[in-house]
Amino acid sequence: EAQVTQNPRYLITVTGKKLTVTCSQNMNHEYMSWYRQDPGLGLRQIYYSMNVEVTDKGDVPEGYKVSRKEKRNFPLILESPSPNQTSLYFCASSDSVNNEQFFGPGTRLTVL
Amino acid sequence: QKEVEQNSGPLSVPEGAIASLNCTYSDRGSQSFFWYRQYSGKSPELIMFIYSNGDKEDGRFTAQLNKASQYVSLLIRDSQPSDSATYLCAVPPFGYSTLTFGKGTMLLVSP
Repeated sequence: EAQVTQNPRYLITVTGKKLTVTCSQNMNHEYMSWYRQDPGLGLRQIYYSMNVEVTDKGDVPEGYKVSRKEKRNFPLILESPSPNQTSLYFCASSDSVNNEQFFGPGTRLTVL
Repeated sequence: QKEVEQNSGPLSVPEGAIASLNCTYSDRGSQSFFWYRQYSGKSPELIMFIYSNGDKEDGRFTAQLNKASQYVSLLIRDSQPSDSATYLCAVPPFGYSTLTFGKGTMLLVSP
């Protein structure tokens, strides 16, 4: 089954404790991205990757890191999480930015 | 400047009516336009995309694109309660590899 998976689905953590949210796709897509969704602010792109070892900032990259060492995986790293990073996070993949984005199920992160 | 604007709603329509959702965008060079549906607590899913001026129909859904006026709309005919969701408009700005979403319009279809 073609899908994008994210783990964990839910995470409660404390300020400053490094965490990683994993994202994996099995569709051989080149384009992958991370979004955060907040009430009243909508879906905003954090980082994207056009292929292995090619990543770039989206609209809200501060406080986040990503890597793309393999085509299928695109982890999101929060080196020192803060409460303003409490949000719902989605990973997505696609053939390109101009094609349909396939979204993962989301990760709800709470930073205390 | 990359902006995609939508009315937040909620847009309330009775079952069986036509729901009309609108989206305006700022980048004149944008060439592809997407409508996603998102149920509460779920991930967005694509329902329509359009690349050319005019109308594109798929079942009960019609996307309309007017590049001169920089708007794209989504019509839902014979609205059903199951159509109640938030509809997100997404536009990749020309020359960029980013994707900008509007904040979404909540649609409520009452039985």
